[in-house]
Amino acid sequence: DVKVTQSSRYLVKRTGEKVFLECVQDMDHENMFWYRQDPGLGLRLIYFSYDVKMKEKGDIPEGYSVSREKKERFSLILESASTNQTSMYLCASSPAGDSEKLFFGSGTQLSVL
Amino acid sequence: AQKVTQAQTEISVVEKEDVTLDCVYETRDTTYYLFWYKQPPSGELVFLIRRNSFDEQNEISGRYSWNFQKSTSSFNFTITASQVVDSAVYFCALSEAWSSARQLTFGSGTQLTVLP
Repeated sequence: DVKVTQSSRYLVKRTGEKVFLECVQDMDHENMFWYRQDPGLGLRLIYFSYDVKMKEKGDIPEGYSVSREKKERFSLILESASTNQTSMYLCASSPAGDSEKLFFGSGTQLSVL
Repeated sequence: AQKVTQAQTEISVVEKEDVTLDCVYETRDTTYYLFWYKQPPSGELVFLIRRNSFDEQNEISGRYSWNFQKSTSSFNFTITASQVVDSAVYFCALSEAWSSARQLTFGSGTQLTVLP
């Protein structure tokens, strides 16, 4: 069974903390994505990656960075967490030849206090 | 810029009723792709369907059907004889062919609740 696994389902952090959200996929997909989901706003793309060590900004990259050192792993980093980054974070992956057919993880609900 | 609007925030139906989820999109591109994803309570979005802008044929898959109308920029999703397991958030999405990343623009989602 193919999977996208996010390391934490729920996470509570303090303002100013550095936060790492980890995502691993076992489908050998080239593309990986980080979205945030907020009520009434749907999913918004933060960053995506076509390949190892490659990254591109999505629609709302401010306050975030990413790392892709290995093909199967894509990390989202909040350098200094703020309360407006409280959200559901969804990781997804897709193959190079079918990039819009996304496979999603179960999400990480991050609360920044 | 592309935009997807799902005006129905929440819909509640009784089991076995038919229900239609609306999706209206905006794009300047002549070549684009439309999608529906389902997000059950477990949280993982699941791909349901993709249509390209040149294919306006309606599609049926079991109890699911999709009505794509370019004239009204709509891509509506109908569930026939709804079941409790259909309860989920449903997202419509759009990608434009020019986008090198084939980035998806998602609508805000429609929460469907099917009551027993």
